[in-house]
Amino acid sequence: QLQLQESGPGLVKPSETLSLTCTVSGGSISSSSYYWGWIRQPPGKGLEWIGSIYYSGSTYYNPSLKSRVTISVDTSKNQFSLKLSSVTAADTAVYYCARWEIAVAGTDYWGQGTLVTVSS
Amino acid sequence: DIQMTQSPSSVSASVGDRVTITCRASQGISSWLAWYQQKPGKAPKLLIYAASSLQSGVPSRFSGSGSGTDFTLTISSLQPEDFATYYCQQANSFPPMYTFGQGTKLEIK
Repeated sequence: QLQLQESGPGLVKPSETLSLTCTVSGGSISSSSYYWGWIRQPPGKGLEWIGSIYYSGSTYYNPSLKSRVTISVDTSKNQFSLKLSSVTAADTAVYYCARWEIAVAGTDYWGQGTLVTVSS
Repeated sequence: DIQMTQSPSSVSASVGDRVTITCRASQGISSWLAWYQQKPGKAPKLLIYAASSLQSGVPSRFSGSGSGTDFTLTISSLQPEDFATYYCQQANSFPPMYTFGQGTKLEIK
């Protein structure tokens, strides 16, 4: 059974860089059938797609966050990562990593989510 | 960018009721639409993909329809475990930018 697990600091100071890693187990990240991505949800609010990456390293970002986001993949570790720079309180959210099945056109596996709070 | 608008933002219903949630895309997306269910404190769960295809393991009381710009999610007979928030997500664009609707909270009447 595929599992995704987010890891990283739960507290980040304003203006600093938020860094999270998603470890994939029970399946290979090096598959042509999937994108891997990040989605966030501010407390009490809706879902926001942050960006996605293909195993080859091709990346796709939400235009509203593009200037601050970097997503990378490490196929040797079966992991992908998110960096969001110059964070503010508005970036406080639960961050989910997820798998997007291209043929299905849906996000079929999600991590449990990790709350990241931006505060001094 | 493609914008997704859901309606209503919230709805109250009773067990056994039939409920329909609507999602509208700002431009045509063919049938590239997915629906998700999210319960408090949990990750979303994929219900419907390609507008009308039921994800494996999802009860048949859930159904989706539509194409182009207008889509619906229908729950034919509400069960207690269906009270949750529902999101639509478009998947039409390449490069992939998978915008979500703002969500519809389904509450017990």
